[in-house]
Amino acid sequence: EAQVTQNPRYLITVTGKKLTVTCSQNMNHEYMSWYRQDPGLGLRQIYYSMNVEVTDKGDVPEGYKVSRKEKRNFPLILESPSPNQTSLYFCASKRSGAWNTGELFFGEGSRLTVL
Amino acid sequence: KNEVEQSPQNLTAQEGEFITINCSYSVGISALHWLQQHPGGGIVSLFMLSSGKKKHGRLIATINIQEKHSSLHITASHPRDSAVYICAVRSNFGNEKLTFGTGTRLTIIP
Repeated sequence: EAQVTQNPRYLITVTGKKLTVTCSQNMNHEYMSWYRQDPGLGLRQIYYSMNVEVTDKGDVPEGYKVSRKEKRNFPLILESPSPNQTSLYFCASKRSGAWNTGELFFGEGSRLTVL
Repeated sequence: KNEVEQSPQNLTAQEGEFITINCSYSVGISALHWLQQHPGGGIVSLFMLSSGKKKHGRLIATINIQEKHSSLHITASHPRDSAVYICAVRSNFGNEKLTFGTGTRLTIIP
């Protein structure tokens, strides 16, 4: 089954304690991306990756790091989480290139609370 | 002013009604996505458009590039269509940067 898997789904942590949210896709997609969703602000892009070892900032990259060492994985790293990073996070992937449908496949979301 | 504006923000309709959700954007784009987010939180991609019109079942999406406007229509609406519908535009700068509208919350009453 084609899917994007995020872990953990729920996490409560404390300010300053480094954490990683993993994202893995089994569709051999080139493109992967992270978003955060906040009430009243909607979805905002944090980082995206066009392929292995190629990453770029979205609209709200501050406080986050990413890496793309393998095609299937795109972890989101919060080196020193702060309460303003409390949010619902989504990972997504899709094929790249003009010949594809451009359909985005989303993970189920990770709800992160930073105390 | 946001780069992507959706209207209405909230919409309540009776089952069977024809639904229209609008998305206007102010930047040059290479494509526009319509997404559906159910109450449980999961997000599903409905359409990606770069021109014209697409149809899938009871859903129809149109885009007018010159007017920087897209519409999502639902025919014969059903309570299971109740969800938040989100428009997102992809930059035309050769990257994959996505900018999202804040969504339209649709409630269909039986």
